[in-house]
Amino acid sequence: NAGVMQNPRHLVRRRGQEARLRCSPMKGHSHVYWYRQLPEEGLKFMVYLQKENIIDESGMPKERFSAEFPKEGPSILRIQQVVRGDSAAYFCASSPGQANHYGYTFGSGTRLTVV
Amino acid sequence: TQLLEQSPQFLSIQEGENLTVYCNSSSVFSSLQWYRQEPGEGPVLLVTVVTGGEVKKLKRLTFQFGDARKDSSLHITAAQPGDTGLYLCAGDMDSNYQLIWGAGTKLIIKP
Repeated sequence: NAGVMQNPRHLVRRRGQEARLRCSPMKGHSHVYWYRQLPEEGLKFMVYLQKENIIDESGMPKERFSAEFPKEGPSILRIQQVVRGDSAAYFCASSPGQANHYGYTFGSGTRLTVV
Repeated sequence: TQLLEQSPQFLSIQEGENLTVYCNSSSVFSSLQWYRQEPGEGPVLLVTVVTGGEVKKLKRLTFQFGDARKDSSLHITAAQPGDTGLYLCAGDMDSNYQLIWGAGTKLIIKP
């Protein structure tokens, strides 16, 4: 009974490098959401995707950040030219339909540290 | 401006005590979800409340949705160290697919 799988759990990048965060949703879930969380803070919505489509990316910075959810394979959150301010925990969640009706199943997150 | 206000932000109590945390808004929600997040992990859905005045129980946890569907509370009876975590509420305004998230209540139960 695999839940939402995120990898890597921890990622260290130097300033200017690229970070790639992967998320495999629960089996049967076609809706994927990415959230960012700073220490001692709540969740900040970044992007909502369905297979091959970005539904809402209003929470994702226009520059350096991109997300995809291809027909085959995991969803990818990509951060180019990372800066120290990108250091945070990034959570992926999936749902079988819209999460406002079904609730989210979250992964364990990727903790990105930019040095 | 936070649409969902959670209080208190932080609570530290002894094992065996009772506590209540709150999730308040001036907006009406069609439903509200409660999550618990343990350190180093993602949030886990505890309950969804849908009807105004609804009360749901999950062992020692009691969730209530306000009559006007603007607020919710979580009451824990005889708290245990395993209840330690960040409690998040998230509301559905039914205007789109997104949930509105509170900033969370960090709860520590001391043995």
